[in-house]
Amino acid sequence: DQQVKQNSPSLSVQEGRISILNCDYTNSMFDYFLWYKKYPAEGPTFLISISSIKDKNEDGRFTVFLNKSAKHLSLHIVPSQPGDSAVYFCAAVSTGTYKYIFGTGTRLKVLA
Amino acid sequence: DTGVSQDPRHKITKRGQNVTFRCDPISEHNRLYWYRQTLGQGPEFLTYFQNEAQLEKSRLLSDRFSAERPKGSFSTLEIQRTEQGDSAMYLCASSLDVGWSTGELFFGEGSRLTVL
Repeated sequence: DQQVKQNSPSLSVQEGRISILNCDYTNSMFDYFLWYKKYPAEGPTFLISISSIKDKNEDGRFTVFLNKSAKHLSLHIVPSQPGDSAVYFCAAVSTGTYKYIFGTGTRLKVLA
Repeated sequence: DTGVSQDPRHKITKRGQNVTFRCDPISEHNRLYWYRQTLGQGPEFLTYFQNEAQLEKSRLLSDRFSAERPKGSFSTLEIQRTEQGDSAMYLCASSLDVGWSTGELFFGEGSRLTVL
């Protein structure tokens, strides 16, 4: 069962515009959500996270929004830069199990 | 460099051979995770340790896979009698048990396995 889903396998955005990446989850026990960025042949690198007690967390150009009632989170990147081109994974974890579950990823391409 | 390190970075083996991967986590991290990633998929949970105790193992993991973390420091992941379907990137990650400022998992660069 895919508890964390990223339904868009790819996204292309013009440089300077906003990139919005989406993620849905099914397990209401998840209480922490994270976004990772991955370049080819490298391990994932952490971008930003959000606790389930919040609905928004911002760090520079990156903002994560959480809608618990819809079991949906999104990552906004503003403004998008060519260096942001990578695969983005959302992940969710329950502090009861400490087992991180990842989505299948969205490949973002920022066009110069 | 004090990040998570994995060795080897790339392993090519013939079907039926055994392979072992090593992971050295960030020194103060007591949780250590193994994930597997194939093309077009996200990291798939395999197992994780709190100190030396293996707390959970994925149901998808066959008996050919075994992981250890002696003394709660480095960890090894062994795959016996490799099959072509085992070809993947094996990722190790570590984290702190307390201090949930970000909940971040720190990943290594991964070990890519190719089974011929």
